[in-house]
Amino acid sequence: GESVGLHLPTLSVQEGDNSIINCAYSNSASDYFIWYKQESGKGPQFIIDIRSNMDKRQGQRVTVLLNKTVKHLSLQIAATQPGDSAVYFCAETNPGSGNTGKLIFGQGTTLQVKP
Amino acid sequence: DAGVTQSPTHLIKTRGQHVTLRCSPISGHKSVSWYQQVLGQGPQFIFQYYEKEERGRGNFPDRFSARQFPNYSSELNVNALLLGDSALYLCASSSFGGGDQPQHFGDGTRLSIL
Repeated sequence: GESVGLHLPTLSVQEGDNSIINCAYSNSASDYFIWYKQESGKGPQFIIDIRSNMDKRQGQRVTVLLNKTVKHLSLQIAATQPGDSAVYFCAETNPGSGNTGKLIFGQGTTLQVKP
Repeated sequence: DAGVTQSPTHLIKTRGQHVTLRCSPISGHKSVSWYQQVLGQGPQFIFQYYEKEERGRGNFPDRFSARQFPNYSSELNVNALLLGDSALYLCASSSFGGGDQPQHFGDGTRLSIL
C-alpha cells in the first residue's frame, strides 16, 4: 500500500549545526510533497513544499531535496536553533487520490536541539 | 490574518456518546480537510470538503460524518464513540480542493473517550 516513511525516529543535533531529516516514499506517482513541523500541543505547521517537477527548493534556513529515482525526500535546516526542536513530518499527495488533496503522512522524526 | 481555528480545544466523552467538532478555515480558503492523529503517529485523512461537497473520504467507519457550510466552515461528527476514537482531530484548509496546494492546519481538538 501507500506509505511515506522516515528513516530515523529521533535526531539529536547541536545548536548551530545543520540538520538533515530524511523521508522515503513508496508511490512513484506521488507528485506533491510537504514538510510539516509539529510542536507539542499544536497542529502541524507548514514549512515548505515541492512538486515532482523540481529537485530542490529553498526557503528561509530550510531546503527540501527530492530524488525521484530513489523516491527520497530530505529537509535540511541550516544553523539549527532550540526553537527548531519538534516532530517533523513529510507528507505526500498523488493522483491516485482523485485529486482530493489527501495527504499521506509518515510517522515523524523528532528533532532534539542541544544547547 | 487568523489561521485555521478549531473548537473546542479539549473534550471528554464516554463510550456511546456522540461529538461535534468545529473548524473555521483561513479566510478565502474554500477547502477543508479533517485528519485524526493518534499519539505518536502521523495524521490520518478522514474527509475533504470543497465548495460544500465531499471530495474525498478516508478509511473510517460510517460513524464519522462531516459537512461544510456556505461560509466554508465545517463540522466533524462522530457517533457511538469508542475508546479507540481518542485522538487529536485536526482540521486543515487550502485555497482550492486540488492535491497540489499547501494545507494549513489548526491546533486541533483533543478528544478523550472514557
